[in-house]
Amino acid sequence: DTEVTQTPKHLVMGMTNKKSLKCEQHMGHRAMYWYKQKAKKPPELMFVYSYEKLSINESVPSRFSPECPNSSLLNLHLHALQPEDSALYLCASSQNPTLFYGYTFGSGTRLTVV
Amino acid sequence: KQEVTQIPAALSVPEGENLVLNCSFTDSAIYNLQWFRQDPGKGLTSLLLIQSSQREQTSGRLNASLDKSSGRSTLYIAASQPGDSATYLCAVSVGGDDKIIFGKGTRLHILP
Repeated sequence: DTEVTQTPKHLVMGMTNKKSLKCEQHMGHRAMYWYKQKAKKPPELMFVYSYEKLSINESVPSRFSPECPNSSLLNLHLHALQPEDSALYLCASSQNPTLFYGYTFGSGTRLTVV
Repeated sequence: KQEVTQIPAALSVPEGENLVLNCSFTDSAIYNLQWFRQDPGKGLTSLLLIQSSQREQTSGRLNASLDKSSGRSTLYIAASQPGDSATYLCAVSVGGDDKIIFGKGTRLHILP
């Protein structure tokens, strides 16, 4: 298995809803990442988990809450989002945090906040 | 602060032509450089990864070169096809850090 799997592929949520995005990899990678991408822009880093511990939070608002239950799974919990949070959310993994082997990305979750 | 620039921002070429996409970075102390492809609304697909000690990598019709001293990388696509139409992103990693720096991408359109 050489993939990063993200679910759901599409999500529409209201501003008062609570939802979660899920990311899974079975490549034994020990670093996992959440990125946010707006249309025609490069991905922007949100969070980095290194060996299941949060190592980087790029000053992301608290309405986004990451969780890494185990080395294969990464969640992003969403609560009280704003319409401007609508974007493509990408998960990525790397064999280790030194990034010597580069990144593997998932196909993303298209989030629309209404 | 590391900055990554990709030129051109957009490119249209007829099918069958060979083409070059450019990526430059301001700090030559990179760990590696990775080229990605992104189709509209989709995730990123890794095309080639060049370690800092390497000069080039090849995969099929793609060839990526790296010149650390001048802060440049090129992605060469041979015999372009309409299926090559996508946005191409380059990204560099700096040793000791947990993140990579992306360029803004080149939107490539291959005309049938």
